[in-house]
Amino acid sequence: NAGVTQTPKFRILKIGQSMTLQCTQDMNHNYMYWYRQDPGMGLKLIYYSVGAGITDKGEVPNGYNVSRSTTEDFPLRLELAAPSQTSVYFCASSPVGADTQYFGPGTRLTVL
Amino acid sequence: GENVEQHPSTLSVQEGDSAVIKCTYSDSASNYFPWYKQELGKRPQLIIDIRSNVGEKKDQRIAVTLNKTAKHFSLHITETQPEDSAVYFCAASNRVGNQFYFGTGTSLTVIP
Repeated sequence: NAGVTQTPKFRILKIGQSMTLQCTQDMNHNYMYWYRQDPGMGLKLIYYSVGAGITDKGEVPNGYNVSRSTTEDFPLRLELAAPSQTSVYFCASSPVGADTQYFGPGTRLTVL
Repeated sequence: GENVEQHPSTLSVQEGDSAVIKCTYSDSASNYFPWYKQELGKRPQLIIDIRSNVGEKKDQRIAVTLNKTAKHFSLHITETQPEDSAVYFCAASNRVGNQFYFGTGTSLTVIP
């Protein structure tokens, strides 16, 4: 199993550009999450999904959108990138009934 | 929503000494408390967790204690080693969609 994979690893965006951060898991986990981690800070939940076709907002959803058309994939869309979205983005997944979250390697995004 | 506070933000110990990191939470409905270790540039890795029906859990040199009445939990690392140097995060979850709320992290340095 590859576990949770994320692409790209690094990206630089200009203000106002858009992009999609990809997240895929091959563990057949129902729950998936997107977090952002600002320098020296903990992780903040952006969006989460409890299954295909179901998504919900976390603590910091503004400026982001998600979709969950399959169990495996949970892409995060940034529209009109802003410098405040400069951060490291982690995707995670967990199986139903289990508490443990498995994290992807992260995407480092810089908005200039 | 839940608010998790973590102290201290930085901690330096001599190799072989013990390290203690403390977290408090605000939501009495929280019932799962994991601890993650994050090495520089890497993803968070679960090191130990505790559920609200347990007061203490130990795994070799690592232990976690939970005081539900006071709403605080702590990570204890004994016989610290240089490879324990990392940032440690606590988190709390009430299992609603398995949303996690993270502390701001403790940067632990073990001095050889």
